[in-house]
Amino acid sequence: GENVEQHPSTLSVQEGDSAVIKCTYSDSASNYFPWYKQELGKRPQLIIDIRSNVGEKKDQRIAVTLNKTAKHFSLHITETQPEDSAVYFCAATIYGNNRLAFGKGNQVVVIP
Amino acid sequence: EPEVTQTPSHQVTQMGQEVILRCVPISNHLYFYWYRQILGQKVEFLVSFYNNEISEKSEIFDDQFSVERPDGSNFTLKIRSTKLEDSAMYFCASKGGTDTQYFGPGTRLTVL
Repeated sequence: GENVEQHPSTLSVQEGDSAVIKCTYSDSASNYFPWYKQELGKRPQLIIDIRSNVGEKKDQRIAVTLNKTAKHFSLHITETQPEDSAVYFCAATIYGNNRLAFGKGNQVVVIP
Repeated sequence: EPEVTQTPSHQVTQMGQEVILRCVPISNHLYFYWYRQILGQKVEFLVSFYNNEISEKSEIFDDQFSVERPDGSNFTLKIRSTKLEDSAMYFCASKGGTDTQYFGPGTRLTVL
């Protein structure tokens, strides 16, 4: 089955700087890649997703890039703010109603 | 905005006891999922449910686990005889006509 790895496990950035989290996946059939943000004690919330027919998607300060050849995708957060501090999970699946295979999560800490 | 809800938020049980975790998916969604997250580990897929039957299950979802949609709104996960290693956060998710799986806040299960 699909195996998703996330790096680094913890990332500390100064407020205003950029944060980048990388994920790799194993199954070349995977074609849908969501990113979830989980604040302490709250539910995972989808923040951005990308399908395999595009290489990049942007939503305000958040972007996701996908490299199908290398089987990795990355989350980019620009101009980080304290409220960006959270655990970020990447996932991969084959589009449809299938299971999500999650990475282990990254703790992002934005230092004011 | 509609949300997935889960009850209870925390369940403590003795080893060997049965537990039922409850979820109310978003009302017009048709696909339902259970995931779990053991402390410090990845979010893992357990089971997906569509059209009143299991559509996919993982190797974790053995005979001790069952799911049910007893009425038009609830979706339950039953663990027949809990083990210590069942201690985890259990997330319910639901999906409508888009790619996005919406997660509930989770139930923390502690098996003593």
